[in-house]
Amino acid sequence: KAGVTQTPRYLIKTRGQQVTLSCSPISGHRSVSWYQQTPGQGLQFLFEYFSETQRNKGNFPGRFSGRQFSNSRSEMNVSTLELGDSALYLCASSSSGTGAPLHFGNGTRLTVT
Amino acid sequence: AQRVTQPEKLLSVFKGAPVELKCNYSYSGSPELFWYVQYSRQRLQLLLRHISRESIKGFTADLNKGETSFHLKKPFAQEEDSAMYYCALSVSGGGADGLTFGKGTHLIIQP
Repeated sequence: KAGVTQTPRYLIKTRGQQVTLSCSPISGHRSVSWYQQTPGQGLQFLFEYFSETQRNKGNFPGRFSGRQFSNSRSEMNVSTLELGDSALYLCASSSSGTGAPLHFGNGTRLTVT
Repeated sequence: AQRVTQPEKLLSVFKGAPVELKCNYSYSGSPELFWYVQYSRQRLQLLLRHISRESIKGFTADLNKGETSFHLKKPFAQEEDSAMYYCALSVSGGGADGLTFGKGTHLIIQP
């Protein structure tokens, strides 16, 4: 099976802009989670979607949002970008979400200037 | 809120020596604990989880609820074990609720 695919791999945006990141889970996986990784804070949970519904959300401002489509592909959107949003954004999928291990993508490296 | 602490940012040991990567957690309930590993230029991947009670690549980890620890151990380190290791906690199984990660330990195995 193909692994979790994230696009694009790299992004450079300017403060105030918005950005959309995409994640294609492993075929058959219905749960998609998003994480932010920074040198200072490490890996932090953003949110999780299962069957097009957000089931869990981390402690991030409303500028961070996401959605999941009927084919389980997911997008994450960040509006009004701030310099502190520069990070590696990781997507992970699992088969059921509960009790199943996470499979991570390679991430999207976002740089905000 | 739950927390995971990995006290060592960097751990360097010689090949053939024992390895122990420390992980302590704080959570009042019964969490599920994981170790994830990231080898150079590879994606983050699951190494093992405490409910499986298995040994992966020679690594084992025992959940000690009294000490709230989940240390990762290997009796004889190999050069291919060099990687970033992350301890993670889930409060409802699997991690879809959102894993809480430690900051990671960079393990370097010297020849």
